[in-house]
Amino acid sequence: QLLQSGGGLEQPGGSLRLSCVGSDLAFRNHAMSWVRQAPGKGPEWVSTFGNVRDTYYTASVRGRFTVFRDYDKNTLDLQLNNLRVEDTAVYYCARHDGWNSHYFDLWGQGTPVTVS
Amino acid sequence: EFVLTQSPATLSLSPGERATLSCRASQTVDTPLAWYQHRPGQPPRLLIYDGYNRATGIPGRFVGRGSGTDFTLTISSLGPDDSGVYYCQHRQLRGSSWTFGQGTKVEIK
Repeated sequence: QLLQSGGGLEQPGGSLRLSCVGSDLAFRNHAMSWVRQAPGKGPEWVSTFGNVRDTYYTASVRGRFTVFRDYDKNTLDLQLNNLRVEDTAVYYCARHDGWNSHYFDLWGQGTPVTVS
Repeated sequence: EFVLTQSPATLSLSPGERATLSCRASQTVDTPLAWYQHRPGQPPRLLIYDGYNRATGIPGRFVGRGSGTDFTLTISSLGPDDSGVYYCQHRQLRGSSWTFGQGTKVEIK
């Protein structure tokens, strides 16, 4: 299970931090990602923390969002800075099936972020 | 830009009927597709991975097929719990990015 926290309402230009925690079994040996879904739209991949601390970001958040991972605490965080109205969405943490998987096999419950 | 286009936008079918969902890629895919079901108030659930493999606990009535740019998810006999929005998803190796389609909403009459 992946449990999420954080998020909420923030003004444009503000910052928020999202967290995702899982069991050792849920996290160990898996790449982890953040995926968001804006109202009325399909999911959008946001960021991935892969093996050997490789990180990836979709172009619209690069330079504003930062993904962190704590291997001891089995947590995945997403720091959202310089927020824009278009960042409004439900944010999910999602686990990859392994380090180099093409898909997401376990999802958190989602946490809403509203920028207004 | 890599795009996944799903059709139709909505399917309204009766229990027991067959649902065929389409996903078309803007270019030939370099990794196999995955499919997810998303029901209100729940996180997305993995149905199919690597093009045709069913995820743990997914019944055999869910079948993924396709290659190149054209893919389908078939639900052979719709059940009452099959309502929701279905998304296809692809990972582009070049640049390491993941893309979702815009979804097909399946309604059970």
